[in-house]
Amino acid sequence: GAVVSQHPSRVICKSGTSVKIECRSLDFQATTMFWYRQFPKKSLMLMATSNEGSKATYEQGVEKDKFLINHASLTLSTLTVTSAHPEDSSFYICSAMDYQSPYTQYFGPGTRLTVL
Amino acid sequence: SQKIEQNSEALNIQEGKTATLTCNYTNYSPAYLQWYRQDPGRGPVFLLLIRENEKEKRKERLKVTFDTTLKQSLFHITASQPADSATYLCARDTGNQFYFGTGTSLTVIP
Repeated sequence: GAVVSQHPSRVICKSGTSVKIECRSLDFQATTMFWYRQFPKKSLMLMATSNEGSKATYEQGVEKDKFLINHASLTLSTLTVTSAHPEDSSFYICSAMDYQSPYTQYFGPGTRLTVL
Repeated sequence: SQKIEQNSEALNIQEGKTATLTCNYTNYSPAYLQWYRQDPGRGPVFLLLIRENEKEKRKERLKVTFDTTLKQSLFHITASQPADSATYLCARDTGNQFYFGTGTSLTVIP
């Protein structure tokens, strides 16, 4: 089946630093990737839709200058949390859409970000 | 807005019984409804997709129904096992986006 990886799986950083999270589709090409944020015991909150070769589409209330998304190839999207603050601590999950499996998203294992 | 709701936060069930989880949506029927499993600290794993024109879909011990009149999807796990304990999420599509329910935490008691 389709596999999506995320790196790193956990990251702890100091307030004010930037953190980059990578999302890769390992065995398929993903023209569209999604970035989600999830708080404890809450559902997935869509942050942005990332299309290869174009600017990401951000959901209402998500700061595009805070959460930089780059989708430079058909297998890689990155999310950079800039000038991180403790309130940015969360579980970040990416997913990739394989159009050969209609409208099915394949999720990465998630990245736990802790900002001190 | 296209809401999707899972009306049980938690469900406990005895091993061997059938677990039934509910997902309700508002406004127009989505072309697809999907069900995912999520274990703690992990990303969701796709389980089943059911189309608008399908009443029922099965995969091994899993069964999903889609009732466009009731605007509801039911997710059944038959002969439940402790290993089925997880959070189950339903999701609807609106073109190129998905909206997820808050999930139902299922615990199968040995």
